[in-house]
Amino acid sequence: EAQVTQNPRYLITVTGKKLTVTCSQNMNHEYMSWYRQDPGLGLRQIYYSMNVEVTDKGDVPEGYKVSRKEKRNFPLILESPSPNQTSLYFCASSPETGVGGYTFGSGTRLTVV
Amino acid sequence: GQNIDQPTEMTATEGAIVQINCTYQTSGFNGLFWYQQHAGEAPTFLSYNVLDGLEEKGRFSSFLSRSKGYSYLLLKELQMKDSASYLCAGRNSGGYQKVTFGTGTKLQVIP
Repeated sequence: EAQVTQNPRYLITVTGKKLTVTCSQNMNHEYMSWYRQDPGLGLRQIYYSMNVEVTDKGDVPEGYKVSRKEKRNFPLILESPSPNQTSLYFCASSPETGVGGYTFGSGTRLTVV
Repeated sequence: GQNIDQPTEMTATEGAIVQINCTYQTSGFNGLFWYQQHAGEAPTFLSYNVLDGLEEKGRFSSFLSRSKGYSYLLLKELQMKDSASYLCAGRNSGGYQKVTFGTGTKLQVIP
């Protein structure tokens, strides 16, 4: 089944404790992206990647890191999480043309206390 | 990124037609998406418009006017399962995959 897989689905952590949210897609898509979704603010793009070793900042990159060492994986790293990073996170991928839109993962609900 | 504007909430009756509007800034624009998101779930792709005009897909149609910075999503023969948020998203020409989402329109379908 073609899909984007995120893990974990739910995570509660403490301020300052480094964490990684994994994202993997099995559709051989070139493009991958991370979004956070907050009430009243909608989906905001954190980082995106156009291919292996090619990443760029979205609209809200502060406090986040990404890497794209393999085409299928695009992990999101929070080196020192803070409470304002409590949010619902989505990973998404699309083919190079982008015409078919993104396929989204199921989401990761992160709470930082 | 794009400045996307769409209504916050709408209510419509089962079996009716509803139009959800979206406006965006035209500079740097390179295509417009519509997504559906049910509560607690991930968004799912509905349509993509890059040229002016109407694209029809079953009960859903999407329209784009590039000169006016305007798009709409038209839902016909509404069903209760169409109750969801509908997200308008614009792609920037400066970054091919830099896609900016609006805050979404929450549609409630009532009997």
